[in-house]
Amino acid sequence: GAVVSQHPSRVICKSGTSVKIECRSLDFQATTMFWYRQFPKQSLMLMATSNEGSKATYEQGVEKDKFLINHASLTLSTLTVTSAHPEDSSFYICSARRAGDQYNEQFFGPGTRLTVL
Amino acid sequence: GESVGLHLPTLSVQEGDNSIINCAYSNSASDYFIWYKQESGKGPQFIIDIRSNMDKRQGQRVTVLLNKTVKHLSLQIAATQPGDSAVYFCAEKPIQGAQKLVFGQGTRLTINP
Repeated sequence: GAVVSQHPSRVICKSGTSVKIECRSLDFQATTMFWYRQFPKQSLMLMATSNEGSKATYEQGVEKDKFLINHASLTLSTLTVTSAHPEDSSFYICSARRAGDQYNEQFFGPGTRLTVL
Repeated sequence: GESVGLHLPTLSVQEGDNSIINCAYSNSASDYFIWYKQESGKGPQFIIDIRSNMDKRQGQRVTVLLNKTVKHLSLQIAATQPGDSAVYFCAEKPIQGAQKLVFGQGTRLTINP
């Protein structure tokens, strides 16, 4: 159990376009989902925390208007990269915290490779 | 503190040997720690966790040790196999800061045949 999926697994887009990435918890309800960005040979950097039915909490330095997060249900969160530029090219990973878990284990998705030309 | 953009340190071990991966965490108030394994192009995979009221926890072929005095966490992998090749991250949950995890910089483990 505790499987998280992401779609698409990789996407290539032109500069200036918007890209939506979906994160789904397949076999559990996730009250909280997290979005991370990972550059090559670096660690995961938390971008935002998404709670179902409320606005996301963004980390310092992450532009809210550029990285739109929607968490409309207990199994789905989406990240939209608006007006993407080459510097937004990265590996985007989501994770989900299972409702009712006492501790903070996060279950991670397989990641989405975004390349902006 | 937050992970910074450093190049990953690398640990090379012989197949069959034991591996020890170390992590220094930043917040003395953190109450929960996790080790994750990340293979190339994939998301992190849970390995083992430990709560701050413990100093050792064992899983299948893995052991996590927690030394709160010096804020140090280690992951021991017994009889390392080729499939253990990956990047390993420790993560801590500060008591303050709601639900988020703070990730360490990671260590790349390579296995020599």
